Amino acid sequence: EPEVTQTPSHQVTQMGQEVILRCVPISNHLYFYWYRQILGQKVEFLVSFYNNEISEKSEIFDDQFSVERPDGSNFTLKIRSTKLEDSAMYFCASADRGGETQYFGPGTRLLVL
Amino acid sequence: SQKIEQNSEALNIQEGKTATLTCNYTNYSPAYLQWYRQDPGRGPVFLLLIRENEKEKRKERLKVTFDTTLKQSLFHITASQPADSATYLCAPPRGRGSTLGRLYFGRGTQLTVWP
Repeated sequence: EPEVTQTPSHQVTQMGQEVILRCVPISNHLYFYWYRQILGQKVEFLVSFYNNEISEKSEIFDDQFSVERPDGSNFTLKIRSTKLEDSAMYFCASADRGGETQYFGPGTRLLVL
Repeated sequence: SQKIEQNSEALNIQEGKTATLTCNYTNYSPAYLQWYRQDPGRGPVFLLLIRENEKEKRKERLKVTFDTTLKQSLFHITASQPADSATYLCAPPRGRGSTLGRLYFGRGTQLTVWP
């Protein structure tokens, strides 16, 4: 069964460093998302991406964040200058043409020191 | 603003019993609602989607109901097993008519099924 994959599974970085989280969505899907979950808290929406552009973003997704679909298969989330509070589990999700059900990847656990 | 509430943070039941989890939403009327399962350290896994014109939907031992008058969805697991132990998340979309929209997740109910 097709699934969303994410790399790396864990990332440790120093505050102020740039990180890039990578995702390979399900191949025929058209809608792509990033969510995050701080330990013990709710899963929170960050951004949605469709037709090569951001379709919606939350208040969390400030100028330090960017997304890209560089090659038609990968979907990346970049954090330019990480802060301690960016430490969280980051989930990528994708949805098919219907756009309703979102399928999530296993997540990248980001720890900012 | 839109708000999602799940009935309790934790539910403990004995194996073989039916688990019933509640999701209440306020200040909007989603056209559909989804339930996900999340295990510790893992991503949410899609279980069921129910639309506003469907009163009930079933998948194996799972059953979901959607009462748009009460603004509530109930999620049932019949003949529960220890392997069903996980956190269950209610997730309606942001609003009506949008298939691109963010999902709003509740805090989830942590279900523990003991032998």
